[in-house]
Amino acid sequence: GNSVTQMEGPVTLSEEAFLTINCTYTATGYPSLFWYVQYPGEGLQLLLKATKADDKGSNKGFEATYRKETTSFHLEKGSVQVSDSAVYFCALSEATDSWGKFQFGAGTQVVVTP
Amino acid sequence: KAGVTQTPRYLIKTRGQQVTLSCSPISGHRSVSWYQQTPGQGLQFLFEYFSETQRNKGNFPGRFSGRQFSNSRSEMNVSTLELGDSALYLCASTNGQGGYEQYFGPGTRLTVT
Repeated sequence: GNSVTQMEGPVTLSEEAFLTINCTYTATGYPSLFWYVQYPGEGLQLLLKATKADDKGSNKGFEATYRKETTSFHLEKGSVQVSDSAVYFCALSEATDSWGKFQFGAGTQVVVTP
Repeated sequence: KAGVTQTPRYLIKTRGQQVTLSCSPISGHRSVSWYQQTPGQGLQFLFEYFSETQRNKGNFPGRFSGRQFSNSRSEMNVSTLELGDSALYLCASTNGQGGYEQYFGPGTRLTVT
């Protein structure tokens, strides 16, 4: 079956540091890939997505590239801010009749200190 | 456009009781999915409804059920509550377009005592 593996947290960084969160996946077909962010006490917000190989998703300074050859979708940001402190989830969805069923990684907590 | 709404936001129940949670998707979205989020198990898929039909189901016992109405609003029900059902229950909707991203509600925090 499908699965998503993320690096474990927490990841603690100083403000303006470079952030990378690794995500690899296993899928039978050609999934769409997503990064979601969850702030304390809230639901998940879509951060970015990529729907096919070599696509790069980007939003709010975050980027991730869909690498089919390495089955990866690593999240990066060049200069983090304290407001980026949150839990980040990598997820996939197969573009079949199961597109309402997402497979999520375990989540990576990011803590950015001033 | 209004986002996904969930009611109630917080709920405290006793073991053995049952509970019904409600979710209103984004207008025009026909697919509604439910997830359970706990510190130990993370985000686990419960089920998905599309046009009033359950299309996918996760690995949860039969105590967990759901339905979808003709206006796409959805409810999930948990009967005979157990302590382990304490969790954040998230609802998400999608219209199946543009890469199928799901939009999440704020969740219902269920505490079973």
